[in-house]
Amino acid sequence: EAGVAQSPRYKIIEKRQSVAFWCNPISGHATLYWYQQILGQGPKLLIQFQNNGVVDDSQLPKDRFSAERLKGVDSTLKIQPAKLEDSAVYLCASSQTGANQPQHFGDGTRLSIL
Amino acid sequence: RKEVEQDPGPFNVPEGATVAFNCTYSNSASQSFFWYRQDCRKEPKLLMSVYSSGNEDGRFTAQLNRASQYISLLIRDSKLSDSATYLCVVIGGGFKTIFGAGTRLFVKA
Repeated sequence: EAGVAQSPRYKIIEKRQSVAFWCNPISGHATLYWYQQILGQGPKLLIQFQNNGVVDDSQLPKDRFSAERLKGVDSTLKIQPAKLEDSAVYLCASSQTGANQPQHFGDGTRLSIL
Repeated sequence: RKEVEQDPGPFNVPEGATVAFNCTYSNSASQSFFWYRQDCRKEPKLLMSVYSSGNEDGRFTAQLNRASQYISLLIRDSKLSDSATYLCVVIGGGFKTIFGAGTRLFVKA
């Protein structure tokens, strides 16, 4: 079974530029998550999708971050404009539907803002 | 108070030792609990789910104490390869996922 795919693996941009990340979940997983993990901290949930609908985006900085999952499969996360404090690893995860279903993570995208 | 709290450690133990971590949560309505393992510069990987009755997987035992609102992870006969950060995950009402900050474990020869 193919795992969660993310791209790119690394990205370096200057502040105020824009950046986008892509995620392809495990086949058949209806729930998709985007996390931000700052060095030394646990992952922080940014947004959770159930199919193409948003379940929770309470911690997404909506003035600069956006995410979509138009067809209920792939998802993109965008930051525009980027700030220095956005330097982090952005992790995508997917799971089957249900609170007792474990999440499976992609390799993540390591973002550095100069 | 944080919604999910873990002792950051680090825990430094010799090979063969038994070590235990706790993770407390504030929402009594939390539904599901997991332990994940994260190696340096890698993604989190599921270690085990935590069931109400407790569960064991080889050298690892996870327990849930709803009355005191914490989960625990016990590692017996520690191996060098167990060195990692251990993250607890709590699924609250509305399927909200909250990760702890993690507990770092170093197992030394």
